[in-house]
Amino acid sequence: GAVVSQHPSRVICKSGTSVKIECRSLDFQATTMFWYRQFPKQSLMLMATSNEGSKATYEQGVEKDKFLINHASLTLSTLTVTSAHPEDSSFYICSASISGGYNEQFFGPGTRLTVL
Amino acid sequence: QKEVEQNSGPLSVPEGAIASLNCTYSDRGSQSFFWYRQYSGKSPELIMFIYSNGDKEDGRFTAQLNKASQYVSLLIRDSQPSDSATYLCAVKESGGYNKLIFGAGTRLAVHP
Repeated sequence: GAVVSQHPSRVICKSGTSVKIECRSLDFQATTMFWYRQFPKQSLMLMATSNEGSKATYEQGVEKDKFLINHASLTLSTLTVTSAHPEDSSFYICSASISGGYNEQFFGPGTRLTVL
Repeated sequence: QKEVEQNSGPLSVPEGAIASLNCTYSDRGSQSFFWYRQYSGKSPELIMFIYSNGDKEDGRFTAQLNKASQYVSLLIRDSQPSDSATYLCAVKESGGYNKLIFGAGTRLAVHP
């Protein structure tokens, strides 16, 4: 149980294009989903917290107009990197928290984004 | 600024030994604590969580919590080369939010 999927696993795009990443909780309902970014040999950096049916809460320094988050249902959240640039190249990972649990987060497999 | 501190390592242990990973946190109101394992190039995987003072055992893993000292640890018994990974300590932020505050991780290397 507690499986989170993420799609795509890897994407290469040209500078200026937008990329959408999907995060799904497959066998549980997640009222809260989180989006992280991780650069090589660095720790996870929380970008935003996403609650179903409401606007995402972004961490300080994260541009909400550049990283659009939509949490349309209890099992799906999407992150769109708009007008991507090479500095946005990173490992993007989502996680989902089980409703009523101890707030443990289960991570998706991640999406490696490379912007040329 | 709420922080979680871990020794970055690498912590090198021989196969079969006990690996001891430590973590301290600053948020005195935190109630839930988590250990994740992350292999290189992969996403974190939940190993176990603990919320009461004392020890919690799950197979070869034991989590230890001391809220008075704001200290969490993870013991791995009979370490195997496949345990070689980065171990992330995470603390649930107090104040009604579901956010986890992650440490930078300790890299464990188990050598045959």
